[in-house]
Amino acid sequence: GAGVSQSPSNKVTEKGKDVELRCDPISGHTALYWYRQSLGQGLEFLIYFQGNSAPDKSGLPSDRFSAERTGGSVSTLTIQRTQQEDSAVYLCASSLAGLAGGSTDTQYFGPGTRLTVL
Amino acid sequence: GDSVTQMEGPVTLSEEAFLTINCTYTATGYPSLFWYVQYPGEGLQLLLKATKADDKGSNKGFEATYRKETTSFHLEKGSVQVSDSAVYFCALAAGSARQLTFGSGTQLTVLP
Repeated sequence: GAGVSQSPSNKVTEKGKDVELRCDPISGHTALYWYRQSLGQGLEFLIYFQGNSAPDKSGLPSDRFSAERTGGSVSTLTIQRTQQEDSAVYLCASSLAGLAGGSTDTQYFGPGTRLTVL
Repeated sequence: GDSVTQMEGPVTLSEEAFLTINCTYTATGYPSLFWYVQYPGEGLQLLLKATKADDKGSNKGFEATYRKETTSFHLEKGSVQVSDSAVYFCALAAGSARQLTFGSGTQLTVLP
């Protein structure tokens, strides 16, 4: 079946602009995660959704970052007033049950969106 | 907080050599442990996992055993192939969201 998809695959923007990154999880997966992968920081957790709610936003690096999920499916990560340090690959993952699945739940990753802020 | 310490790379091996990539972790509670692999130009893929102590995860000739007493999850393969060249990430799932905490990644290059 279809895996996790993300769009765009690449985004180049100017400092100060807003960007939106989209994630389509695997059909039927209730949990959705955003991570980012950067040279200096490695792979970092950003936010987690269970259904449409986000019980854990602890990884968002600043209030310029926000995310939403609608219909228990598609999620959008928005970065306002982008800065050069936001340049990274943004990864989305989904899993079948999230917390409800306990230790057996497995996250499946999309190909990522490479964001470059000039 | 939770953390994963992974063997620094890069690692370069000849085909058919034995591979070990060390991984140790710090976590509260009982995390699940994972190895993910990222092939050139591709996304992260789950390689194997173990969800409790003494479990052995295995896939594609790779193995790792969840060792609670040494808080380790070392990745091994008896005979590597050129096609195994990739970046390997050790990770644990714990915390309120069971979010993944990753190690820094180990670049493996296998030469023919």
